[in-house]
Amino acid sequence: KNQVEQSPQSLIILEGKNCTLQCNYTVSPFSNLRWYKQDTGRGPVSLTIMTFSENTKSNGRYTATLDADTKQSSLHITASQLSDSASYICVVSAGGDYKLSFGAGTTVTVRA
Amino acid sequence: EAQVTQNPRYLITVTGKKLTVTCSQNMNHEYMSWYRQDPGLGLRQIYYSMNVEVTDKGDVPEGYKVSRKEKRNFPLILESPSPNQTSLYFCAVRRGAHNEQFFGPGTRLTVL
Repeated sequence: KNQVEQSPQSLIILEGKNCTLQCNYTVSPFSNLRWYKQDTGRGPVSLTIMTFSENTKSNGRYTATLDADTKQSSLHITASQLSDSASYICVVSAGGDYKLSFGAGTTVTVRA
Repeated sequence: EAQVTQNPRYLITVTGKKLTVTCSQNMNHEYMSWYRQDPGLGLRQIYYSMNVEVTDKGDVPEGYKVSRKEKRNFPLILESPSPNQTSLYFCAVRRGAHNEQFFGPGTRLTVL
């Protein structure tokens, strides 16, 4: 069964600090991996996408990495801001049928 | 501006009282989905539609119905809601070559 596991479940960081979120998956065949940001009370919004041949992708202060061999991805947030407080969801797309597998998300709280 | 709208945004109802949550998109995309989001479980697909008059079950379809009579609208119907359907519901449109889900703002449903 295709699965996506994220860690930690939640974390608290001080404004200006960095943090890294992890995503491990067993989806096969792999097509792409996307990170979404979900602000409280809103729908998820895509941050980055990586296909099999890509191992890093940046979007401002967000940098995602992908190791397709070990089936791991990370999302690094640099110089965190209060607006980074949100849930971050890892979503893996299987090849062929567009089936999506969702992680349960990591809740990030940035404190001043 | 690309939009997915959902109505209502908040709904409190009682067991057994039929309800419909509407979803409308202005992007002219074919593939639409309904998801529910519960703490610790992440997003789970309820139903999806690949085009007008083409719908299929997702991972958790029990207790739900959908219809797709026109491309822009994809309503979610709960014929006889039960308390275990209390959840946050998202409508989404698939766009782009890499299976991005563009989510609506969400509907928070409470069934008493």
